[in-house]
Amino acid sequence: DTEVTQTPKHLVMGMTNKKSLKCEQHMGHRAMYWYKQKAKKPPELMFVYSYEKLSINESVPSRFSPECPNSSLLNLHLHALQPEDSALYLCASSQTQAGVVFTFGSGTRLTVV
Amino acid sequence: LAKTTQPISMDSYEGQEVNITCSHNNIATNDYITWYQQFPSQGPRFIIQGYKTKVTNEVASLFIPADRKSSTLSLPRVSLSDTAVYYCLVGDLGLSGGYQKVTFGTGTKLQVIP
Repeated sequence: DTEVTQTPKHLVMGMTNKKSLKCEQHMGHRAMYWYKQKAKKPPELMFVYSYEKLSINESVPSRFSPECPNSSLLNLHLHALQPEDSALYLCASSQTQAGVVFTFGSGTRLTVV
Repeated sequence: LAKTTQPISMDSYEGQEVNITCSHNNIATNDYITWYQQFPSQGPRFIIQGYKTKVTNEVASLFIPADRKSSTLSLPRVSLSDTAVYYCLVGDLGLSGGYQKVTFGTGTKLQVIP
């Protein structure tokens, strides 16, 4: 299995809702990432997990809460989001947190209303 | 990490060879050059990686001159399905294990015209 699977593919949520994005990989990769991508912009790093521990938080607002339950799963919990948080949220994995070869999922298109 | 600079956009007719350049003047000795392709509403996909001279795979070729301050991704005989954004990244293979922040540049939007 050489894929990163993200669910759901699309999500519409209100500003008072709580929702979660899910990501799964079975390649034995020990680093997992969340990226945010706005339209016509490059992906921006949000969080890095290395060996199931949060390694990097790129000053992301606390309304985004990552979780890594095990080496194959990565969640992003969302609460009290703003309309400007609407974006494509991408999960990626790599063998370690170093290096530049990533496997990305297809993303979750999030719309905050 | 070395900053990369690419053209914002390029147009090409179907069947032509397309060369996309990336400038990375501050590339470090241990850095490799990696290219990704991204279609709309999908995640970036690894295309090719190289250190020097030329690398070729079933999708593309990567040309890196001796000074390594630039690189060129070559796509042979493009089709409409090659319309995408192409990103050049520079960084080492991470053999030391330490974290390195990888930043995506603006990328090059390639539009293939029928």
